[in-house]
Amino acid sequence: ETGVTQSPTHLIKTRGQQVTLRCSSQSGHNTVSWYQQALGQGPQFIFQYYREEENGRGNFPPRFSGLQFPNYSSELNVNALELDDSALYLCASSRDIGGSYGYTFGSGTRLTVV
Amino acid sequence: QKEVEQNSGPLSVPEGAIASLNCTYSDRGSQSFFWYRQYSGKSPELIMFIYSNGDKEDGRFTAQLNKASQYVSLLIRDSQPSDSATYLCAVNSPDSNYQLIWGAGTKLIIKP
Repeated sequence: ETGVTQSPTHLIKTRGQQVTLRCSSQSGHNTVSWYQQALGQGPQFIFQYYREEENGRGNFPPRFSGLQFPNYSSELNVNALELDDSALYLCASSRDIGGSYGYTFGSGTRLTVV
Repeated sequence: QKEVEQNSGPLSVPEGAIASLNCTYSDRGSQSFFWYRQYSGKSPELIMFIYSNGDKEDGRFTAQLNKASQYVSLLIRDSQPSDSATYLCAVNSPDSNYQLIWGAGTKLIIKP
């Protein structure tokens, strides 16, 4: 079975620009969640998608938005980028909403905002 | 504010010894508990998950959960230099749509 894949792996953007990050979930997984991880910190929950619907959102402003597609892949969009958005963005997929069998993470996208 | 607390370390353990990593959580409604390992610059890798009070063993790893004390731990037996990494504790709860709440991680160093 294929794991979780994220693209791109690295990205440099200018403040004020917009960015789209992509994630393909592991085969058999219908739930995708996104996390932001700053250096030296644990991941922070952004939002979760289950069967194309947003199912839970963390403390992130509306300029962070997402989508899940019928094949359960997902996108994270960030508008009006700020310097503090520089972080590792992680996508995780799971077999169900509750993560009964754990969450599998992709390798992440390292976003740098300059 | 739901929180997960871990000692940031670094925790230094001799090769071959037992490494003990601890985590406390504030939400009594927490249902599932996860331990992830993260190497520098890499994404988290699932080590173990536990739902019920008591111990769960998988190879050299044992997770221990005490819901009354809101405490979960990870023991690593026969520690190897390759175990050197940051260990992240995460919990979820149906009350918060199962979003994972993470600790900041404990840096573990296994000394040869």
